[in-house]
Formats: sequence, C-alpha cells, structure tokens
Amino acid sequence: AQKVTQAQTEISVVEKEDVTLDCVYETRDTTYYLFWYKQPPSGELVFLIRRNSFDEQNEISGRYSWNFQKSTSSFNFTITASQVVDSAVYFCALSAPNTGNQFYFGTGTSLTVIP
Amino acid sequence: GAVVSQHPSWVICKSGTSVKIECRSLDFQATTMFWYRQFPKQSLMLMATSNEGSKATYEQGVEKDKFLINHASLTLSTLTVTSAHPEDSSFYICSASLARYEQYFGPGTRLTVT
Repeated sequence: AQKVTQAQTEISVVEKEDVTLDCVYETRDTTYYLFWYKQPPSGELVFLIRRNSFDEQNEISGRYSWNFQKSTSSFNFTITASQVVDSAVYFCALSAPNTGNQFYFGTGTSLTVIP
Repeated sequence: GAVVSQHPSWVICKSGTSVKIECRSLDFQATTMFWYRQFPKQSLMLMATSNEGSKATYEQGVEKDKFLINHASLTLSTLTVTSAHPEDSSFYICSASLARYEQYFGPGTRLTVT
C-alpha cells in the first residue's frame, strides 16, 4: 500500500527565515513518482515538482529546493528566505503505475509566513 | 499546455437537489480522470477513477449511486451529486491524466448545500 506522511501540521516562520517541510513515504513499488503541490487559499493546486524513483538528484528552483533520499524514504522541501506569498498549504503526494497512477496525498502542512 | 477546467467554480444548492460539476481537459485528451473531495483543513481524498467509455471505479466508502460520474469523451467528465445534503458540502477537485505519471488538476468546485 502507498502512504505519505507529513508530520508537520502547521508551521509558522518569520519572513526571510528558511523552512523545511518534511515528507516521508511508504511504497513497495520500485517505480514511483513523488510530487509537491502548493494550495493557496483560493484552493487551486499549484504543481511544484515531480521526481521519479530513479532520480535521487536534489533539485533547486529559485528559493525552493528538494532533498530526495530513498534510504530514508523522504522527500523534503525547503523554502529559503521565506516570503509572505509562500503562506499556503503544501501537499506531498506519491503515485505508482502499479496502483493505477492515482495520487496518494499526505495530510498537508499549513505554512504561515509572518511579515 | 495541459489545462484542466472545472465548472462551476462554486455552487450553492438546496438540500435534496442534484448538482452537476464538469471537468474538462482543454488542450489534451485524457483517458483517465480522477475526482477528489477535500473537506476544510483536510487532505484530498480520492473518490473515484473515471476512464473514458467505461464505468467509474469508486473508492471504498463512496456511494456510487449518490456521486454519479460520467466520462463520455476524452475531454469531459462530470460528477453529479444526487439528493445533496449539507454533509456533502465540500471542495471537489478533478484531475486529468496525460501520461502515466502526469495528472493535471482543475481549479476545484466549492459546493455548499443549504
């Protein structure tokens, strides 16, 4: 079975601080994909990144970076120099061909950046 | 590219009535569409998987007679909430699959049943 755990329910940081959102996943599949989405108050999901299980390279995109470690089944997301616009709920998700490519979402982390 | 739309974006209906939500892939053909429900401050929960031309597959605990899904074409899937009740009030999100690992999400429909 697939499972995604986001242990941090809510996080508050002061603007310009760095913040890391944790994501731990469980799967028996060797081929799978991991995702991060941002959900602002409007509700629309904003795609941030997709990683396949064979690509453990970390990625940086502007102030965003992701650390994928298969050894610990983690796919953590770091925002550097946080801004008020980063305030949102962030979801980590997993999909795998063996389970019909449906998405398994974590429970989300609500990030509040205080000006 | 890969845009998914939903209509309406929000709807208010009276208890006992039915409401239809449309999900369209605007610039690609989607053989599979997914419907999710999200209650306030909760995660997205998959309701059903819809394949074009065949019956939808519902997740455990989702009443198929209450949540009717029709996927009549490669660009359109509809979710009809029949005999809606206040507990059906939620945020409904669809997604469309372009490739095996790619899903594109619609903007969501906020349903309020009074």
